Amino acid sequence: AQSVTQLGSHVSVSEGALVLLRCNYSSSVPPYLFWYVQYPNQGLQLLLKYTTGATLVKGINGFEAEFKKSETSFHLTKPSAHMSDAAEYFCAVSDGSSNTGKLIFGQGTTLQVKP
Amino acid sequence: DSGVTQTPKHLITATGQRVTLRCSPRSGDLSVYWYQQSLDQGLQFLIQYYNGEERAKGNILERFSAQQFPDLHSELNLSSLELGDSALYFCASSVVGSNTEAFFGQGTRLTVV
Repeated sequence: AQSVTQLGSHVSVSEGALVLLRCNYSSSVPPYLFWYVQYPNQGLQLLLKYTTGATLVKGINGFEAEFKKSETSFHLTKPSAHMSDAAEYFCAVSDGSSNTGKLIFGQGTTLQVKP
Repeated sequence: DSGVTQTPKHLITATGQRVTLRCSPRSGDLSVYWYQQSLDQGLQFLIQYYNGEERAKGNILERFSAQQFPDLHSELNLSSLELGDSALYFCASSVVGSNTEAFFGQGTRLTVV
């Protein structure tokens, strides 16, 4: 069975500081990996995804993530945090072999950005 | 705007009642997913429909059911509601395939009192 673990339910950074949100996955098949962001009272928006190919993936709003198979990780980073980045972030895995597209989500990480 | 429309946005109902949540997918998307988001369980996959047929099932209670109609909109029916069913219910749509992006609606917040 697939699973996702996000280390740290709350992360606080200062504006302009590096953002690092951690995600580890478990999958017996090649995974497809996603990061979604949820702003208050809104739905989820895709930040970036990894399917195949280049392991460093760039997404929207300056975020990027690196797929490391040996570490079963897909950590999300942004060089310089902005106040508007404050939100909840979800890492998700999809079964690359079943072709259903259903997502297994981590518990989420709330990012706080301090001025 | 993701292009996925969910109605209603908010719903308050009493225990034991039945409600129907509605989802209109993005134009052209054949696949619809339902997820439940609660404080204790997080985001949980409930069920998926593709072009009218059930495609995958997750942690969906027997009191819950869903269907997808010929015009591709979907409904999630929740019956014999309990306090613990209070949650945010999301619908998402995509072109089927696990490497494609799922677009999420803004959710229906269900409160059972």
